[in-house]
Amino acid sequence: KQEVTQIPAALSVPEGENLVLNCSFTDSAIYNLQWFRQDPGKGLTSLLLIQSSQREQTSGRLNASLDKSSGRSTLYIAASQPGDSATYLCAVREGSGNTGKLIFGQGTTLQVKP
Amino acid sequence: GAVVSQHPSWVICKSGTSVKIECRSLDFQATTMFWYRQFPKQSLMLMATSNEGSKATYEQGVEKDKFLINHASLTLSTLTVTSAHPEDSSFYICSPEGLAGIEQFFGPGTRLTVL
Repeated sequence: KQEVTQIPAALSVPEGENLVLNCSFTDSAIYNLQWFRQDPGKGLTSLLLIQSSQREQTSGRLNASLDKSSGRSTLYIAASQPGDSATYLCAVREGSGNTGKLIFGQGTTLQVKP
Repeated sequence: GAVVSQHPSWVICKSGTSVKIECRSLDFQATTMFWYRQFPKQSLMLMATSNEGSKATYEQGVEKDKFLINHASLTLSTLTVTSAHPEDSSFYICSPEGLAGIEQFFGPGTRLTVL
């Protein structure tokens, strides 16, 4: 059974710091991995999608890496801002196609202090 | 990205009543819709997968007679929580199945509070 774990559960940093969020999964047979942002009481906003054949994806100040063989992904946030404060979720898609289930981690709640 | 709407965004109801949540895919046709539930300070858990024109598939531990799903068209799926109880209070989020290789998008969610 696929299990997704995110460490740390919560993180508080001063504005301007670079930070890394970690995601690990137990079964390396994934189709893709996706990072999301969730603001309190809101739905999910997709940040980055990494296909199983890819090593990393970048969007602005965000960089996500994937090491499928070791079951790990990281989300790197450069020059953090108070607006980055939110819960960050990683999710892996099981199986070999886009119809597989998305299995979510518990999330990392980030607070960036001005 | 895909535009997904949910209605209502929040609802408060008395125990024993039924609540219907609508999920609309506004800019593309969704043959499959995923319904998730999120309890406070927990992650999203898949409840069921609905397919247009056929019966939904429920995850283990989810009562199909309690959570009725209808996917009558390619742009609308509904989740009805029947005879709601306080333990059903949660955040319900829908997500249409994406195209191959495309990221998955989610609706804004519906906060259900059962008194």
